[in-house]
Amino acid sequence: QVHLVQSGAEVKKPGASVKISCKASGYTFTTYSIHWVRQAPGQTLEWMGWINAGNGNTKYAQKFKGRVAIIRDTSANTVYMELSSLISEDTAVYYCARPGRFNVLFDYWGQGTLVTVSS
Amino acid sequence: QLVLTQPPSASASLGASVNLTCTLSSGHSHNVIAWHQQSPEKGPRYLMRLNSDGSHNNGDGIPDRFSGSSSGAERYLTISSLQSEDEADYYCQTWGTGIVVFGGGTKLTVL
Repeated sequence: QVHLVQSGAEVKKPGASVKISCKASGYTFTTYSIHWVRQAPGQTLEWMGWINAGNGNTKYAQKFKGRVAIIRDTSANTVYMELSSLISEDTAVYYCARPGRFNVLFDYWGQGTLVTVSS
Repeated sequence: QLVLTQPPSASASLGASVNLTCTLSSGHSHNVIAWHQQSPEKGPRYLMRLNSDGSHNNGDGIPDRFSGSSSGAERYLTISSLQSEDEADYYCQTWGTGIVVFGGGTKLTVL
């Protein structure tokens, strides 16, 4: 079955960068995209962007353009999300999620990675 | 602009049924949506895909007491025979050109 396993919690200082991984298994990695979604404490889910795992094309939400980068390693079936110039408001749980083949409805989610930004 | 609107809270008694609502913004009444459940301190869990005609497909392992329906721009999640473990936040989600949108979530309390 499909599994998305994320890297562990991170604590970063303001201005630093964080890179989170999402390892996929249970399906053909290159035939689905992977998206990143975050959730600040007590808030709703917020979409950040996605990568086509087949060709590496990316698209980012306007809010994060210039600060986020999503890449993939097809040899490791892993997607990475790097967020730079961190501020305290970036403290959140970050999720990777996989949609269906022909829609953008997330039917599989990673377990989440807590990123804490604090001086 | 594509927006999903959900009431912030709902409540119902153990064993009863509850309807949760998600409203699509004007011009997007034909969008397909997904419902996701998020139990306390857990990540989201996909419940179902819900089409504009009310047809729905539950995710793997989601029991039949979770069902969906549609009316115009409204999308509904019905949970019957409520159990204590259904107490959670419920989010609707859809997509548009170049964007993915979530509703604000409804916190369901099981009395």
